[in-house]
Amino acid sequence: AQSVTQLGSHVSVSEGALVLLRCNYSSSVPPYLFWYVQYPNQGLQLLLKYTTGATLVKGINGFEAEFKKSETSFPLTKPSAHMSDAAEYFCAVAGGAQKLVFGQGTRLTINP
Amino acid sequence: GAVVSQHPSWVICKSGTSVKIECRSLDFQATTMFWYRQFPKQSLMLMATSNEGSKATYEQGVEKDKFLINHASLTLSTLTVTSAHPEDSSFYICSARDGRTPYEQYFGPGTRLTVT
Repeated sequence: AQSVTQLGSHVSVSEGALVLLRCNYSSSVPPYLFWYVQYPNQGLQLLLKYTTGATLVKGINGFEAEFKKSETSFPLTKPSAHMSDAAEYFCAVAGGAQKLVFGQGTRLTINP
Repeated sequence: GAVVSQHPSWVICKSGTSVKIECRSLDFQATTMFWYRQFPKQSLMLMATSNEGSKATYEQGVEKDKFLINHASLTLSTLTVTSAHPEDSSFYICSARDGRTPYEQYFGPGTRLTVT
């Protein structure tokens, strides 16, 4: 069965600093991986996805993620944090029956 | 493109009453829709998967008779919380797939249900 572990329930960085959110996955088949962002009292918005091909995936709002097969990880990064990046971030892996399996989420706080 | 709406965005109801939440795909046909529940500061918990024209598939532990799901068309799915109780208070989020991209789901904005 597929599973996702997000390391760190809360990450705090200064504005302009590097953002790094960690995600480890477990999958018995080649994984489809996703990062979603959720702002307070809103639904989820897709940041980026990895299906096949290039392992470095670029998404919206300056985020990118790298599929690291040997490490079974899919870390999300952004070179320079902005105050508007403060939100909850969810990593997800494709499961059976077209479902997504979500991690526990990481709350990103940006310090001015 | 790929916009999903939910209505209402928030609702308050009295214990024992029923509440219906609508989920619509606005610019695509949704072959599959999903209903999630999210508790404060927690991840999403999948409640059920619905395919147009067929019965929903519920996750283990989700009461089918309490959470009625109908997917009557390719653009509309509804979740009815029957005989609501305060413990049903939560944030309910739907998502939809258009079938073109494997596994990718488009999420609605969520509905905040408060049962008093």
